[in-house]
Amino acid sequence: EPEVTQTPSHQVTQMGQEVILRCVPISNHLYFYWYRQILGQKVEFLVSFYNNEISEKSEIFDDQFSVERPDGSNFTLKIRSTKLEDSAMYFCASSQGFEETQYFGPGTRLLVL
Amino acid sequence: QQQVKQSPQSLIVQKGGISIINCAYENTAFDYFPWYQQFPGKGPALLIAIRPDVSEKKEGRFTISFNKSAKQFSLHIMDSQPGDSATYFCAASKETSGSRLTFGEGTQLTVNP
Repeated sequence: EPEVTQTPSHQVTQMGQEVILRCVPISNHLYFYWYRQILGQKVEFLVSFYNNEISEKSEIFDDQFSVERPDGSNFTLKIRSTKLEDSAMYFCASSQGFEETQYFGPGTRLLVL
Repeated sequence: QQQVKQSPQSLIVQKGGISIINCAYENTAFDYFPWYQQFPGKGPALLIAIRPDVSEKKEGRFTISFNKSAKQFSLHIMDSQPGDSATYFCAASKETSGSRLTFGEGTQLTVNP
């Protein structure tokens, strides 16, 4: 069964450093998403991406964040200058169509020291 | 108005019992209500979903009950099994928001053997 994959599974970084989280969505999916889950809290929407542009972003997704689909398979989330409060589990998701089931990857646990 | 509130925070049920998790929303524009199941170390996985044109949807042991006038929906797990032990999230989205999912706080379900 096709699945969303994410790398790395864990990342530790120093405050102020740039991180890139990588995702490979399911191959025939057209919509891509990033969510995050701070430990013990709810899953929060960050951004959705379709047709090589951002469809919607939340108030969390400020200028420190960017997304890119650099090739036909990868979808990345970049945090330019990490803060302590960026420590969270980041989930990538993809869906075949608009308002169709979103399939989530296993997540990348980011720890900012 | 974008929030989805979920209760209880945690739930312990005996094997064979019924697990009931409740969610409430404010935004009447929401038109898609999925439930996700999350095991430790994994991303959320879609369990069952409903749209507001029906009041109930059943898939195997899992049933969603939807009350549009009360703006509430609930997940019932019949004949609960130890393998159902996981965190359950309700969510909601609206057509005009690019499939952005708004999640509830999550319910940690434990089914004792």
